[in-house]
Amino acid sequence: NAGVTQTPKFRILKIGQSMTLQCTQDMNHNYMYWYRQDPGMGLKLIYYSVGAGITDKGEVPNGYNVSRSTTEDFPLRLELAAPSQTSVYFCASSGYRDSPYGYTFGSGTRLTVV
Amino acid sequence: GQQVMQIPQYQHVQEGEDFTTYCNSSTTLSNIQWYKQRPGGHPVFLIQLVKSGEVKKQKRLTFQFGEAKKNSSLHITATQTTDVGTYFCAGSTGNQFYFGTGTSLTVIP
Repeated sequence: NAGVTQTPKFRILKIGQSMTLQCTQDMNHNYMYWYRQDPGMGLKLIYYSVGAGITDKGEVPNGYNVSRSTTEDFPLRLELAAPSQTSVYFCASSGYRDSPYGYTFGSGTRLTVV
Repeated sequence: GQQVMQIPQYQHVQEGEDFTTYCNSSTTLSNIQWYKQRPGGHPVFLIQLVKSGEVKKQKRLTFQFGEAKKNSSLHITATQTTDVGTYFCAGSTGNQFYFGTGTSLTVIP
């Protein structure tokens, strides 16, 4: 099993550019999440999904959009990138919110906006 | 605001010393999870505690969930250099799930 796969691993964007961070999981998990982690800080929830076709905002959704057309894929879209979006982005999945197996995280995308 | 706080934020220990990180919530948690993130890596799930007063052990790691289900701790006995990383707690309250602020552990050989 690959688990949760994120692409790209690194990206440099110019202010105002857009991009999509890809996330795919092969564990048939219903729940998927996007977090951002600023240097030396904890994890902040951007968006989450409880199943295909269902998404909802987390703590810090502004400047981002998501879609969930399949169980496997949960892409995160950045429109009009800003320096404040420089961060490490983690995608995660779980069978359900309080799964005793916890969340499985991808290896992250390190994004710099200049 | 932040629902789950951890202390200390940073901890340096000599190899072989013990280490403890504490997790405190302003509200009652339905469960608590612990994760470890190695430098430059991603969070990896360690364990989940559900019951009031629950204690679980994984080798040198001991996890506790408070009686009131508002706090938790992770204790590492005789730290090793492989224990280096940031330890996060994460808890469910209502329909929200929050990660703590994390404790960064440095182990000096």
